[in-house]
Amino acid sequence: DGGITQSPKYLFRKEGQNVTLSCEQNLNHDAMYWYRQDPGQGLRLIYYSQIVNDFQKGDIAEGYSVSREKKESFPLTVTSAQKNPTAFYLCASSGTGGDYGYTFGSGTRLTVV
Amino acid sequence: SQQGEEDPQALSIQEGENATMNCSYKTSINNLQWYRQNSGRGLVHLILIRSNEREKHSGRLRVTLDTSKKSSSLLITASRAADTASYFCATSGNTPLVFGKGTRLSVIA
Repeated sequence: DGGITQSPKYLFRKEGQNVTLSCEQNLNHDAMYWYRQDPGQGLRLIYYSQIVNDFQKGDIAEGYSVSREKKESFPLTVTSAQKNPTAFYLCASSGTGGDYGYTFGSGTRLTVV
Repeated sequence: SQQGEEDPQALSIQEGENATMNCSYKTSINNLQWYRQNSGRGLVHLILIRSNEREKHSGRLRVTLDTSKKSSSLLITASRAADTASYFCATSGNTPLVFGKGTRLSVIA
């Protein structure tokens, strides 16, 4: 089955640590996205990539980094510079060059301990 | 930046009733999309309506779009307990999708 897989489902981070969230898709989609969801805040865009080896900052990129070395993979690193990282992180993918809906993963819940 | 704003924030109805959610946005769009999210899960794409379309149907879903008023509505007919979820509108322009804060729908059996 084609889909998008996020791991881990739950992640705990100590103060000062960097952590990496995994996102893999086998839909052959060119574009991939990372969103952050806080209670009552809806989704906010962190980073997105429309092609391999290229990515752009979204609205809240500070304290995060990404890479896009393979079409299938778009990992997100939450660095120690992100002061309030506790949130639900959602990865999505889509086609490009037309009207496409997004396919979302099941999310990673990150908690700072 | 959040462009879509859903109304109401929360809606509670009896099973079998219709549920209507509204979305307003601020700038010009290529299309508008509706998504559903069950608690603690990812979003699921429901329906996409292009800027040159006025109405679209999919099963029990009916979406309308009024670009002159920059607004859209999602109607779920004959609701079921399984429709309980949060519903988000998202607008597509020259940037990735911009989501609203969502409407929490509760369908009581």
